[in-house]
Amino acid sequence: DAGVTQSPTHLIKTRGQQVTLRCSPKSGHDTVSWYQQALGQGPQFIFQYYEEEERQRGNFPDRFSGHQFPNYSSELNVNALLLGDSALYLCASSYRGLINIQYFGAGTRLSVL
Amino acid sequence: DQQVKQNSPSLSVQEGRISILNCDYTNSMFDYFLWYKKYPAEGPTFLISISSIKDKNEDGRFTVFLNKSAKHLSLHIVPSQPGDSAVYFCAATMASYGGATNKLIFGTGTLLAVQP
Repeated sequence: DAGVTQSPTHLIKTRGQQVTLRCSPKSGHDTVSWYQQALGQGPQFIFQYYEEEERQRGNFPDRFSGHQFPNYSSELNVNALLLGDSALYLCASSYRGLINIQYFGAGTRLSVL
Repeated sequence: DQQVKQNSPSLSVQEGRISILNCDYTNSMFDYFLWYKKYPAEGPTFLISISSIKDKNEDGRFTVFLNKSAKHLSLHIVPSQPGDSAVYFCAATMASYGGATNKLIFGTGTLLAVQP
């Protein structure tokens, strides 16, 4: 049973560029949440997708956007990259029938130069 | 505003002894709490959780205690093993009970080192 998978593992971009990160949820899960983890901090909630719609959003600017596909996989897009966007981006999946246990992928390490 | 706090950045324990990791929260609306363990280059791994209707939940060597009046929870690991060395994150949320999963609010983590 495959867990949550994310791609790519690492990414290097320059300021002003755009990036797309991908996530496949755990089998049987229908909800995908994205988190940003800066060095020395805990993960910060970006947004969540369920039934192909953004359901909840954290305190992140509109440069951060996403999408969920009919197979429940998801993408995170970040436009006009800033140096401060350098972080580990984590995807978590869950099923709405179970109480709040979210399962995380290994993350994508984004470096903005 | 840090709604979930882990005030100890690190903890060192001898193998076989008890590890106690602490977490405090400020939002009274939180009613479900989780602990995750994170190794370098891996994502957080779910460890154990507790609902606010309980004050204790046990799973093998791991026990989580919840003190609602103090808005405090702790994770006990007994006995501690070298393989337990990792960063431990406390997270809080509002239970969904079949609705859309709610976001997790994480603390900053505690690095546990278990010495052989």
